[in-house]
Amino acid sequence: AQKVTQAQTEISVVEKEDVTLDCVYETRDTTYYLFWYKQPPSGELVFLIRRNSFDEQNEISGRYSWNFQKSTSSFNFTITASQVVDSAVYFCALSEASRGGNKLTFGTGTQLKVEL
Amino acid sequence: EPEVTQTPSHQVTQMGQEVILRCVPISNHLYFYWYRQILGQKVEFLVSFYNNEISEKSEIFDDQFSVERPDGSNFTLKIRSTKLEDSAMYFCASKDGARNSGNTIYFGEGSWLTVV
Repeated sequence: AQKVTQAQTEISVVEKEDVTLDCVYETRDTTYYLFWYKQPPSGELVFLIRRNSFDEQNEISGRYSWNFQKSTSSFNFTITASQVVDSAVYFCALSEASRGGNKLTFGTGTQLKVEL
Repeated sequence: EPEVTQTPSHQVTQMGQEVILRCVPISNHLYFYWYRQILGQKVEFLVSFYNNEISEKSEIFDDQFSVERPDGSNFTLKIRSTKLEDSAMYFCASKDGARNSGNTIYFGEGSWLTVV
């Protein structure tokens, strides 16, 4: 069965600090996809990134970077020089290729608060 | 940019009443989903729909729930007799199913259902 664990319930940082959000996953599939979604206070779910299980290259997009390590089943998300607008709940999610519908299993989310 | 649209954004209903939540997925997408998020909790999978039938459903999706794609554009979730515990944000989502899409699922802004 697929499972996603986000052990950090809430993180508070001061603006311009770097912050890393942890995500650990479990799956029996050899092909799977990992995602990060952002949920701002307005409530919508905003897609940030997708990673395929066969591509362990780390990725950087502006102030965001992702570190995927199959050896530790982790897909961590780092925000560099955080800003107040980064305040949101961040969800890590997993989908298994073997499941036809490719449903997403979400972690419990990490509430990030960025203060001035 | 194409997006998933949902109506209503907020609905208040009395316990025992039927509710229909409506969604217009992204136009060339083939897979459709409903997820729900009880206030302060994680996002939970309800059902996936492909080729005019349910491809997978969770334990939450019992006989009180049904989905329909009545025409080429809408995708609806019906709750026949609402209970207090059905109060949640309901997210519609879709995926295009193309090989190079990477299984990215895009979410609507959600419909907040309050059962009183």
